[in-house]
Amino acid sequence: GAGVSQSPRYKVAKRGQDVALRCDPISGHVSLFWYQQALGQGPEFLTYFQNEAQLDKSGLPSDRFFAERPEGSVSTLKIQRTQQEDSAVYLCASSPPGQGILVANVLTFGAGSRLTVL
Amino acid sequence: GDSVTQMEGPVTLSEEAFLTINCTYTATGYPSLFWYVQYPGEGLQLLLKATKADDKGSNKGFEATYRKETTSFHLEKGSVQVSDSAVYFCALSDGYGGGADGLTFGKGTHLIIQP
Repeated sequence: GAGVSQSPRYKVAKRGQDVALRCDPISGHVSLFWYQQALGQGPEFLTYFQNEAQLDKSGLPSDRFFAERPEGSVSTLKIQRTQQEDSAVYLCASSPPGQGILVANVLTFGAGSRLTVL
Repeated sequence: GDSVTQMEGPVTLSEEAFLTINCTYTATGYPSLFWYVQYPGEGLQLLLKATKADDKGSNKGFEATYRKETTSFHLEKGSVQVSDSAVYFCALSDGYGGGADGLTFGKGTHLIIQP
């Protein structure tokens, strides 16, 4: 696709519900990142995939957060038993292979999924 | 760990004014430095970057110079326009393939340009 697509753009959940957020990266992009951006804050790293392998999940705030990318393209971020502190914009970013040592040099971000937990 | 500190906003300027948004960083390695911009309702967009000391990144009239001696990467523009109103994020990355090559962001600076 032309860019990184995220859905839904907006999600309202009641506390305790499970949610799933989808990211469609640019076709052929190998690296995929998830970030969490709380209101008035900068994005914070959650997890990183290279193809289907989750190479780093050190930023996931609790075991209620789970991410997968089973076929190395679309990724889903799942949050179980949502809490109010999970309210944030969840950003997905991807980058292509062979673009230099630093993947971050060529990241493309999606518009984000805004989650509000009531 | 790595961190980025940038001036807090909102920053309100008149059109055609000179802009500086300060950014300093702490990193264990030799990072690349970035400025991202977020327009209302849109995703983060890379504005400019610099990968080594004394490099100057530039785009759309914005500039920033990588100053290793002062660990800074201040964003400047000589004459701002109303369309520059957005949130600006300073960020760094010191990943070298594998693991989390992701970005560490500052908290963002909301820039408001008045006509």
